[in-house]
Parts: sequence; C-alpha cells; structure tokens
Amino acid sequence: AQKITQTQPGMFVQEKEAVTLDCTYDTSDQSYGLFWYKQPSSGEMIFLIYQGSYDEQNATEGRYSLNFQKARKSANLVISASQLGDSAMYFCAMSLNYGGATNKLIFGTGTLLAVQP
Amino acid sequence: SQTIHQWPATLVQPVGSPLSLECTVEGTSNPNLYWYRQAAGRGLQLLFYSVGIGQISSEVPQNLSASRPQDRQFILSSKKLLLSDSGFYLCAWSTRNSPLHFGNGTRLTVT
Repeated sequence: AQKITQTQPGMFVQEKEAVTLDCTYDTSDQSYGLFWYKQPSSGEMIFLIYQGSYDEQNATEGRYSLNFQKARKSANLVISASQLGDSAMYFCAMSLNYGGATNKLIFGTGTLLAVQP
Repeated sequence: SQTIHQWPATLVQPVGSPLSLECTVEGTSNPNLYWYRQAAGRGLQLLFYSVGIGQISSEVPQNLSASRPQDRQFILSSKKLLLSDSGFYLCAWSTRNSPLHFGNGTRLTVT
C-alpha cells in the first residue's frame, strides 16, 4: 500500500541555519511525484517543491531543495537560511501516476517547524 | 492567473443539520477538483475528486457527498451532520502535470 511517513512531529531551528525535514515513502509504482507543502497557522496549504520519480537531479526552488534518494525511498526537504516566517507545519505528499488523469495526493502527518530568533 | 475561492471560512453547525460548502476556480478550464479533510493535528485525507462535470469519485465511505454542477464549481454536502464531521475542509484544483493548489479552507465545528 502507498504510504508517506514523516517521523519528526516537531523541529526547532535557529534563524539563518539550515534544517532538514524527513520524509520516506512506500510505493511499488515506478511513476510517481513527491511534493512538499507548507501550512502556516492560518491554514492554507502552500505548494513548495516537486520531484518526479524519473528526475535525476534533486529539485530546488529558492531556499528549498529536495534531497531525493530513490533507493532509500526518501524525499527530505532542506530549508537553507531559515527565517522566522518559515515557522509552520510542513507536509510531504506523494502522487501516483503523476501527469495522468488525476493527481491525487496522499499526505504524511506533517512536521511542525519552529524557527527561533 | 488561476485562483480558487472557498467559503465560508468558518462554520458552526448543530448535529443533524445540513451542510453545503462551495468551491470555485477561476482562470483555468476543466480542472481536476478535490475535497480534503484535515482532522486536528493530522494530515490531509482525500474525500472526493472529480475529473469533469457530474463525475465524482469517493475515496472513503462517509456521511458526506460531493457534486460538480459546473466545470469550475465543486460542492461538499451533508444531509445530517455528525460530531465526527468536524474538521478543516480544503478544496483543491489541478491540471495534468500541475501540483494541487488549495483554497484557504473551511473550519467546520459540529456541536
């Protein structure tokens, strides 16, 4: 069965430091997509970054990068130079057959990141 | 650019009352539409998705239903709310090869 696991319920990081949020996934499909979303206390879900299962290079988007290790089935999010505004809940998600008729996402349980000044 | 509108933002309803949450998308045609629910402190659970007008797929058995009367309109309904229906409901849209884009959500409290 397909599953996303985020083992860190909460993380602290000092402002301006880098932080890694862990995500492992389980699927037998060959074609899938991995996503990270940010959810501030206001509740909206903000798309951050995407990695396709066939992409050979790790995705990067500004201060966000995705450390994709296919053999280990991990897709960790790295945030560089943390800012106070990065404090939020972060969700890892997976889409099966990405680019097909639908992009249904299954989500992990999230990691609450607190950036300290 | 594409935008998604979801309302109301908050809702308090008594047990046994009906529910109607509405979601509309602008700036895109024939999007896939989704309803997710987030219980307190939990991840998101997919409730329904739709690939076209009148086409609804349900992911989990529940007290809720969904309808898509127009291309860019998605409605979540219930005839009689249960306490367990409380949660944060998020509507989302996508097209082929795009990530999901979410609305701001509706916080539903059933009392």
